[in-house]
Amino acid sequence: DAKTTQPNSMESNEEEPVHLPCNHSTISGTDYIHWYRQLPSQGPEYVIHGLTSNVNNRMASLAIAEDRKSSTLILHRATLRDAAVYYCILRPNSNSGYALNFGKGTSLLVTP
Amino acid sequence: DAGVTQSPTHLIKTRGQQVTLRCSPKSGHDTVSWYQQALGQGPQFIFQYYEEEERQRGNFPDRFSGHQFPNYSSELNVNALLLGDSALYLCASSLRSRNQPQHFGDGTRLSIL
Repeated sequence: DAKTTQPNSMESNEEEPVHLPCNHSTISGTDYIHWYRQLPSQGPEYVIHGLTSNVNNRMASLAIAEDRKSSTLILHRATLRDAAVYYCILRPNSNSGYALNFGKGTSLLVTP
Repeated sequence: DAGVTQSPTHLIKTRGQQVTLRCSPKSGHDTVSWYQQALGQGPQFIFQYYEEEERQRGNFPDRFSGHQFPNYSSELNVNALLLGDSALYLCASSLRSRNQPQHFGDGTRLSIL
């Protein structure tokens, strides 16, 4: 399975935009890019996913590079509640794509 | 609309014992997945159940088994508990298609003494 690489940690100020990067240089053409986050003492929470085009929802935006070897999760205005571990996950569009293969993710610290 | 519920929230067992963890999926979901999360690590996929059958399995020994009931709820069973089985066990539910988002419960914290 293709792997993802994320920074171990990032820090942001409250009410500022946050760009969380993810490298996936061995992505295959049918792999979807998913993002989840895990707040302290909670289960992971789905954030957004995409295949080729940029995606927006009420939580965040996902910017996917043209060659699909990297992507960026954008939180437009960080709040203290956004402090969490963010996971970038590739999901094959095949019979091995039912699982979510979490790595270590990026721990985001948001300061007032 | 209830989300994914897991029981119990905490459990303490000793080595060699057996444990059963339970999960009720989000309303309308028919697929249940189980994950193990050790302290400081990301969740690791154990298996997924759909239509009462195990559809995909991660790299876990046969001591880990599961079941899905006709109402889509699920159980995770672990036999011959080891100290290394101490972890947070997460249940996630989804619709049957491959790239549907998974909705997680808050987990069962299992401690092995």
